[in-house]
Amino acid sequence: ETGVTQTPRHLVMGMTNKKSLKCEQHLGHNAMYWYKQSAKKPLELMFVYNFKEQTENNSVPSRFSPECPNSSHLFLHLHTLQPEDSALYLCASSQGLEGAGRSPLHFGNGTRLTVT
Amino acid sequence: GQSLEQPSEVTAVEGAIVQINCTYQTSGFYGLSWYQQHDGGAPTFLSYNGLDGLEETGRFSSFLSRSDSYGYLLLQELQMKDSASYFCAVPSGSGSARQLTFGSGTQLTVLP
Repeated sequence: ETGVTQTPRHLVMGMTNKKSLKCEQHLGHNAMYWYKQSAKKPLELMFVYNFKEQTENNSVPSRFSPECPNSSHLFLHLHTLQPEDSALYLCASSQGLEGAGRSPLHFGNGTRLTVT
Repeated sequence: GQSLEQPSEVTAVEGAIVQINCTYQTSGFYGLSWYQQHDGGAPTFLSYNGLDGLEETGRFSSFLSRSDSYGYLLLQELQMKDSASYFCAVPSGSGSARQLTFGSGTQLTVLP
C-alpha cells in the first residue's frame, strides 16, 4: 500500500472511446502529478497540480485532459487516443513541489493502458 | 534542459555489491534522488543527496559529487528482492514550475 490509489489497474480502449483514470491519495499531500511511463524511456511528466491549481502542462496533447477537484483526487480524461499512447500512467503526490529531499514523490501502482 | 544518463542493465549475484552510476546535466541543481521500481509496481523513493558525499540507509547508500555532475547508488549484500529498476532523478525549474526529471532507469537482475 503506497498511500496513492489508482483505478483501473488495466484499461483497453479503442481510439474512439472516452475513458477516465482516477487517482486518490491518502497522505495529506498538496501536489499531485500524472506521469507517463513507456518501455525503455524515462518517466515523462505530463501534468502537475499544486493545491488544486495546475502549475505545469508539459506540451501534452489535448486528447489528455486532467482534472483535480481537490487536493486528494486527480483524474485524467482520455479521448480519441492513438496506439502510441499505450503506456503505464502513473499518478504521484508530494507534500511540496520539490520532488526531492523533504518532498519525495509517492507513486501509485499505475494504470496499464492499451489503445487498440 | 535536463538530461540524465545511467546504464540500462546491471547483473550481479546474491550477496554481492553493485554500483549504479548516474551522470546529469541540469541548468540548476537541487539534489539527486533515487527511486526503485519492481515489475508491475509503483516507483518508491530510496534516497536523496543534496550535498556532496555519501548517504547511507541500511544496505543502500547514495553518493553525490556536484563538481563532477555524478552520483551513484550502492547496493550491498544483494538479495533476490533487489531485482528491480532503479531511476536517478533531479528536480529542475523553480517555484511553481519545479518538476522532477528522471533517467531512463537501470534494470538490476540479481542471480542466485
